[in-house]
Amino acid sequence: GNSVTQMEGPVTLSEEAFLTINCTYTATGYPSLFWYVQYPGEGLQLLLKATKADDKGSNKGFEATYRKETTSFHLEKGSVQVSDSAVYFCALRRLGNEKLTFGTGTRLTIIP
Amino acid sequence: DAGVTQSPTHLIKTRGQQVTLRCSPKSGHDTVSWYQQALGQGPQFIFQYYEEEERQRGNFPDRFSGHQFPNYSSELNVNALLLGDSALYLCASSIDRGVDYGYTFGSGTRLTVV
Repeated sequence: GNSVTQMEGPVTLSEEAFLTINCTYTATGYPSLFWYVQYPGEGLQLLLKATKADDKGSNKGFEATYRKETTSFHLEKGSVQVSDSAVYFCALRRLGNEKLTFGTGTRLTIIP
Repeated sequence: DAGVTQSPTHLIKTRGQQVTLRCSPKSGHDTVSWYQQALGQGPQFIFQYYEEEERQRGNFPDRFSGHQFPNYSSELNVNALLLGDSALYLCASSIDRGVDYGYTFGSGTRLTVV
């Protein structure tokens, strides 16, 4: 079946550090890939997405590239801010299937 | 522009009781999905409603049921509550146009079963 494996957390970084959160997936066919962010007490917000191999999704300084050869969709940001502290979820959706399959989430804390 | 609205925000129920959670989709959206997020876990798909019908269902027992109204709003009902049903229940809306426009999530209903 489909599954998403995320880097174990929590992750703590200093402000302006470089961020990588690893995400790998297992799926048949060519799924769409997503990163969602959840701030404390809130629902999930779509951060970025990619729908085919080699696509790069980007938003608010975050980037992730759909790598079919390594079945990965790692999230990166060059310089994190305290406001980036949140839980980040990697997810996939197969074509023709309505459900999103999520990873377990990675809690990120940025210290000033 | 109002996003997805869920009510109530918090709820405490006793084991064995029944509960109804409500969701109003984002303006212009016609499809509603429900997810269960246990503490420290990623959301798990319960089901999706489109045109007032359940279109797809995840691996949840029949105790979980839903409904979609003509105005696209939706309800999630859970019968015979178990302690393990304690979770954050998220509603997500989208547009069914054959293109992946993505999902908009609400802030959720925190259900505690005691």
